[in-house]
Amino acid sequence: GIQVEQSPPDLILQEGANSTLRCNFSDSVNNLQWFHQNPWGQLINLFYIPSGTKQNGRLSATTVATERYSLLYISSSQTTDSGVYFCAVEGSSNTGKLIFGQGTTLQVKP
Amino acid sequence: GAGVSQSPSNKVTEKGKDVELRCDPISGHTALYWYRQSLGQGLEFLIYFQGNSAPDKSGLPSDRFSAERTGGSVSTLTIQRTQQEDSAVYLCASSPSTTQYFGPGTRLTVL
Repeated sequence: GIQVEQSPPDLILQEGANSTLRCNFSDSVNNLQWFHQNPWGQLINLFYIPSGTKQNGRLSATTVATERYSLLYISSSQTTDSGVYFCAVEGSSNTGKLIFGQGTTLQVKP
Repeated sequence: GAGVSQSPSNKVTEKGKDVELRCDPISGHTALYWYRQSLGQGLEFLIYFQGNSAPDKSGLPSDRFSAERTGGSVSTLTIQRTQQEDSAVYLCASSPSTTQYFGPGTRLTVL
């Protein structure tokens, strides 16, 4: 099945810094989503982005489907950005079944 | 509007007991998914519903696990004869088409 790898596994930032999180996937995808899991465990949808670029406030994401990777950019990080960021993809199942990466754990220090 | 809700939020049970976990999806969402999150395995897909039918059950780990959905809405995940390795957070998501929206999860602890 499709493999999803995220890097880095852990990241520590000072408040105000920028960061880039990467997601590599091993096959073509129908669906790619980025999620933020907050310290209470809630998974929050950030982007649905199987291709192209999107921006939402301080966050933006780019997926280059032909090269099988996606990037999540966080600018001017805040302590509330702390948590785990997951990339999840749907392969050829056509059921919407998401395969998750192992996540990037981000800690933003004040 | 209201998001996906799950109950109970926490469940502690003894090995060998049966448990039922409930998911109330966002109104109008035809697709519903169950996932499991555990320390060793990360986030794993369990089952997918489209309406009341389950075209993809490939992630259910054993025949002790079953799920149903009624009225194209509420879903129940049942685990029979629970084992300690079933301890995890069980997450439900619903979707109108492509984007999946997750509930807060049920933390299951099997003693």
